[in-house]
Amino acid sequence: DVKVTQSSRYLVKRTGEKVFLECVQDMDHENMFWYRQDPGLGLRLIYFSYDVKMKEKGDIPEGYSVSREKKERFSLILESASTNQTSMYLCASSFSVLIGFGGTPKNIQYFGAGTRLSVL
Amino acid sequence: TQLLEQSPQFLSIQEGENLTVYCNSSSVFSSLQWYRQEPGEGPVLLVTVVTGGEVKKLKRLTFQFGDARKDSSLHITAAQPGDTGLYLCAGVYRGSTLGRLYFGRGTQLTVWP
Repeated sequence: DVKVTQSSRYLVKRTGEKVFLECVQDMDHENMFWYRQDPGLGLRLIYFSYDVKMKEKGDIPEGYSVSREKKERFSLILESASTNQTSMYLCASSFSVLIGFGGTPKNIQYFGAGTRLSVL
Repeated sequence: TQLLEQSPQFLSIQEGENLTVYCNSSSVFSSLQWYRQEPGEGPVLLVTVVTGGEVKKLKRLTFQFGDARKDSSLHITAAQPGDTGLYLCAGVYRGSTLGRLYFGRGTQLTVWP
């Protein structure tokens, strides 16, 4: 079974603190993603990574950074946490599956259980 | 960028009823996926549709990909309380960077006994 593990299920931090959210996957996936999920807004992509030491901004990267030093680990960093970063954070990983010659990528994403972060 | 529009946002029905959830876009997708998320957990893949016009069935759930590959639907027959959850559609946009999925905002389904 594919396993994506997020280090904490619940986290409470104070405004201005530096926060690290860790994610580890055991399927040798090249791609890893960080999303935040808020009621009515769905999943919004913060950052993603295609390979070690590579990162790409998603739709809402402001206030966040990421680190991918090893293939299996993708960290999300809140440099100075603010109350508007209170949210559910979801990590996901995937590989690109091609069907046949010149096939269509399916990009099935496997998610962790999420970290509910409260910034006070 | 909200490439996928899901409707309805909320659905509250009695056990035994049928329902349909829609996922629409003005853009063409290479493939579309449906996920289900239960409280306190991450989304879990239900199905992937790849070919325009494709229909897939998963027990009481029927998934359809539009002929033009711009829309999809999820139909549940005789809903049960165990179907309660957040249903998300997500697509591989034809023009996107390989690996990225675009998600709809989700449909929160509640099935009452």
